[in-house]
Amino acid sequence: GESVGLHLPTLSVQEGDNSIINCAYSNSASDYFIWYKQESGKGPQFIIDIRSNMDKRQGQRVTVLLNKTVKHLSLQIAATQPGDSAVYFCAVQGLSGGSNYKLTFGKGTLLTVNP
Amino acid sequence: DGGITQSPKYLFRKEGQNVTLSCEQNLNHDAMYWYRQDPGQGLRLIYYSQIVNDFQKGDIAEGYSVSREKKESFPLTVTSAQKNPTAFYLCASRATFKADTQYFGPGTRLTVL
Repeated sequence: GESVGLHLPTLSVQEGDNSIINCAYSNSASDYFIWYKQESGKGPQFIIDIRSNMDKRQGQRVTVLLNKTVKHLSLQIAATQPGDSAVYFCAVQGLSGGSNYKLTFGKGTLLTVNP
Repeated sequence: DGGITQSPKYLFRKEGQNVTLSCEQNLNHDAMYWYRQDPGQGLRLIYYSQIVNDFQKGDIAEGYSVSREKKESFPLTVTSAQKNPTAFYLCASRATFKADTQYFGPGTRLTVL
């Protein structure tokens, strides 16, 4: 089955700096990846996604990079703001029909933005 | 106002009681999911439903039950057989089970007294 891990459980940055949050996955057949933001006591909020046929995708102040060779996914947040403070986690979907397109979730990185 | 709603936001249960968590969506999505979230762990899938009147067990289904009688509703019952039910429960939906983006509700925090 799929396993998803994050390199750092916590990340502290200064307001205005760029943040990079990482995720590693195990199944080379995984074909779809999502980043979520979760504030304390709330449900996860979709940030950005990427398919395996892409290496990079940009949104508003966020960029997702996918390195299929080393099975690594990263989320970059530009000019980090205090409102970005939250837990960020990735979700990975396998291609295999046996997985029924289910998502496997990482444990999350707590991002703290210092003013 | 479209989206996924969960109720109640907080729920307290005495040991030995069954409780039902509500999940409703007005997104016209076929697929719905229930996850459990515990501190320091990733989301774990309890049950999922790809279409109305059908559902399958996820990775941690023991002690839980669901129904999917209507497309917009997917209630979760936490039974007394669930040994450690205190957790944050999240409902999610997708347009179809093969669709991309999965959206989450606001969650229900269940505490066993």
